[in-house]
Amino acid sequence: GESVGLHLPTLSVQEGDNSIINCAYSNSASDYFIWYKQESGKGPQFIIDIRSNMDKRQGQRVTVLLNKTVKHLSLQIAATQPGDSAVYFCAEKAYNQGGKLIFGQGTELSVKP
Amino acid sequence: NAGVTQTPKFRVLKTGQSMTLLCAQDMNHEYMYWYRQDPGMGLRLIHYSVGEGTTAKGEVPDGYNVSRLKKQNFLLGLESAAPSQTSVYFCASSYLGGSGYTFGSGTRLTVV
Repeated sequence: GESVGLHLPTLSVQEGDNSIINCAYSNSASDYFIWYKQESGKGPQFIIDIRSNMDKRQGQRVTVLLNKTVKHLSLQIAATQPGDSAVYFCAEKAYNQGGKLIFGQGTELSVKP
Repeated sequence: NAGVTQTPKFRVLKTGQSMTLLCAQDMNHEYMYWYRQDPGMGLRLIHYSVGEGTTAKGEVPDGYNVSRLKKQNFLLGLESAAPSQTSVYFCASSYLGGSGYTFGSGTRLTVV
């Protein structure tokens, strides 16, 4: 069936560097792609989303890129901070499938001081 | 501004026991969801509801039942708990047409 997956399970970066977290998806009918951050012992927290008709969207220190040609999604975090250490999930949402969010497995980001 | 509140936060059950997890949201969201999260895995959808009085199955519904008698509440029931249901359970809610969900802080359930 359709699924959303992540290329790397762990990512370690130096404080101040930029981080890039990647995600592959397979449902070309998805309407939205969303990134969530989950800190230990907490529920996922919405970071940023992008509509399927866009290829880039920027937020505060974060940028999401969508490449529909190769069905690839990425999250870029600028000037990574220790507080960015968490597991990051990508998710996709298709209204023709009831609007449910389908999550990938997650990438654990570790920021070294 | 509570958002999504889950109770209880922790629970230990014996195999065969039953329990109900409660989710409450104060954002007037139409949609509500129950997910489970197992180690090394992403969140998997158990059941969801698109409005008061309606429920639907997700990816992994077996062994669970749900009810949405009031718009703000979504209950997840385990009739006969099994060790395979040991997991962290998350409730979420969203607006109709919204892209993102608001999640609760989770319920850690252990079945022994």
